[in-house]
Amino acid sequence: AQSVTQPDIHITVSEGASLELRCNYSYGATPYLFWYVQSPGQGLQLLLKYFSGDTLVQGIKGFEAEFKRSQSSFNLRKPSVHWSDAAEYFCAVGAKGGGSQGNLIFGKGTKLSVKP
Amino acid sequence: KAGVTQTPRYLIKTRGQQVTLSCSPISGHRSVSWYQQTPGQGLQFLFEYFSETQRNKGNFPGRFSGRQFSNSRSEMNVSTLELGDSALYLCASGPAHTDTQYFGPGTRLTVL
Repeated sequence: AQSVTQPDIHITVSEGASLELRCNYSYGATPYLFWYVQSPGQGLQLLLKYFSGDTLVQGIKGFEAEFKRSQSSFNLRKPSVHWSDAAEYFCAVGAKGGGSQGNLIFGKGTKLSVKP
Repeated sequence: KAGVTQTPRYLIKTRGQQVTLSCSPISGHRSVSWYQQTPGQGLQFLFEYFSETQRNKGNFPGRFSGRQFSNSRSEMNVSTLELGDSALYLCASGPAHTDTQYFGPGTRLTVL
């Protein structure tokens, strides 16, 4: 069965420190992979996506993610965290091929807190 | 371009009632998907519409239904509301033939 695992429910980092949020997926075919961020009371904002090609993808707000097929992982990183990055982060996997793009499977999310 | 808009943003209903939520996709997007977000179950896919046809459906009871109009706007309806239907309902739209979805701010439904 398709699934996405985000092992860390809550992470606290100091402002200016580096960040890595983990994501592991289980998917039978080659997946499309996404990271979204959600601030309290808001919808989801797309940070970055991986479809194919270069396994290191750059996103908005200084985030990047690396696709590692051998580890079934798509970890999100940021070299220096800002207080405004405090939010909940969701990893998602989608079907490749465009035939049914609506069915994204999400992880449970990782809540990021930032210490001043 | 304007983003995905959802109305209303907040809604309070009582058990047994029905509710209709509306979603206007980003201009030019023909795919609209709906998700339910709860603290316990997380984000769960409800259904997807493309060119007025339901293309995919999640594992929800028949009380949950939707439709899409010719201008790509979509509505979802929940009949005979239960307490467990309290959730944030998110709509997402995407351009044809891509797998990227852009989410709206959601409708917060509270069932009393």
